Amino acid sequence: GAGVSQSPSNKVTEKGKDVELRCDPISGHTALYWYRQSLGQGLEFLIYFQGNSAPDKSGLPSDRFSAERTGGSVSTLTIQRTQQEDSAVYLCASSLAGTGGATPLHFGNGTRLTVT
Amino acid sequence: ELKVEQNPLFLSMQEGKNYTIYCNYSTTSDRLYWYRQDPGKSLESLFVLLSNGAVKQEGRLMASLDTKARLSTLHITAAVHDLSATYFCVRGGADGLTFGKGTHLIIQP
Repeated sequence: GAGVSQSPSNKVTEKGKDVELRCDPISGHTALYWYRQSLGQGLEFLIYFQGNSAPDKSGLPSDRFSAERTGGSVSTLTIQRTQQEDSAVYLCASSLAGTGGATPLHFGNGTRLTVT
Repeated sequence: ELKVEQNPLFLSMQEGKNYTIYCNYSTTSDRLYWYRQDPGKSLESLFVLLSNGAVKQEGRLMASLDTKARLSTLHITAAVHDLSATYFCVRGGADGLTFGKGTHLIIQP
């Protein structure tokens, strides 16, 4: 079946511009996560959505970052006034259950963001 | 503070050898995940370990969990070049998921 789909796969933007990154999770998955991975580094948690609950935004690095999930499905991560340090691969993942469950995360292929 | 520490972070080994990657976590958990990431690719789930003493095997990889020691291991038997990748362990709990920094594994012919 279809996996987690992210778009665009690559995005180059000028410093100061806003960008939107999209994630289509696997159908039926209630949990959705956004992570950021810099070159050669581990994963940095950004935000977590679980069903209709309020999202866990504790990982968002600044107020320039926001995310929403519409209808419990598609999610959009928005970065306003991008900075060069925002350059990274942004990974979206979904799972059947949230962090209290035991199902693994299914990751998308990521969006590689480059801020020039 | 929640910590997940992987050891080693970098490993270069020859084909045919055996090796173990260690994952220590600081806070009690009953779930531990292992993921593989190939260069330029996303993460792929390898194992989900749900109880103390759990052992799972897939091909040349075997993962185990000791919740009392807060330790998980990923053992590689008779390594082959195709296993070259970065391996992440992830501690799971109701308080969230915590990723290790990853072990970058290079297997040389």
